[in-house]
Amino acid sequence: DAKTTQPPSMDCAEGRAANLPCNHSTISGNEYVYWYRQIHSQGPQYIIHGLKNNETNEMASLIITEDRKSSTLILPHATLRDTAVYYCIVRSRNTGTASKLTFGTGTRLQVTL
Amino acid sequence: SAVISQKPSRDICQRGTSLTIQCQVDSQVTMMFWYRQQPGQSLTLIATANQGSEATYESGFVIDKFPISRPNLTFSTLTVSNMSPEDSSIYLCSVEGGILQETQYFGPGTRLLVL
Repeated sequence: DAKTTQPPSMDCAEGRAANLPCNHSTISGNEYVYWYRQIHSQGPQYIIHGLKNNETNEMASLIITEDRKSSTLILPHATLRDTAVYYCIVRSRNTGTASKLTFGTGTRLQVTL
Repeated sequence: SAVISQKPSRDICQRGTSLTIQCQVDSQVTMMFWYRQQPGQSLTLIATANQGSEATYESGFVIDKFPISRPNLTFSTLTVSNMSPEDSSIYLCSVEGGILQETQYFGPGTRLLVL
């Protein structure tokens, strides 16, 4: 699976949009971009995933560039409870099999008042 | 998503002993995985728990140290054997497949401290 690069930390004011970038320049055609977050010592929480189209759900939006070499996770109105480590993971999804999730070091997002 | 539970949620153990961690999910799933998260580190996959056959271990992890069982499609156990302080970590199970399709969901984790 392709490697990802994320900034180690970011700050965001409560109520503002948090934009978390991820580079995955070696991504291949059958690899998806997944985002998880881990709130202090809890199990990772699935946020969203996408292949090439932008995706939105109740938690966040995922914007993937046209060349698929980078993506941005957007939390539209960050709250203090969004303070967590956010992981961007590239993973293939071959039919009938599951490839492992390889966690990097992620981005530590601190939401402040 | 799915409701995933782990027992125990935390434990303090003496070196040389073994601890078995249970993972239960509320729906049948195809895949179950076990991860380790050492203090201040990211998650590392230990093994894939295969139903009806031996687990598939990642490089650096061996069956004698981390035996795994998966008797059915909703339950798995991980044993941490002959523990040392270096085994102090959070151990997490994750599940995928069935109604969850191809997204992994994680349990709350088991916090282990070895003295």
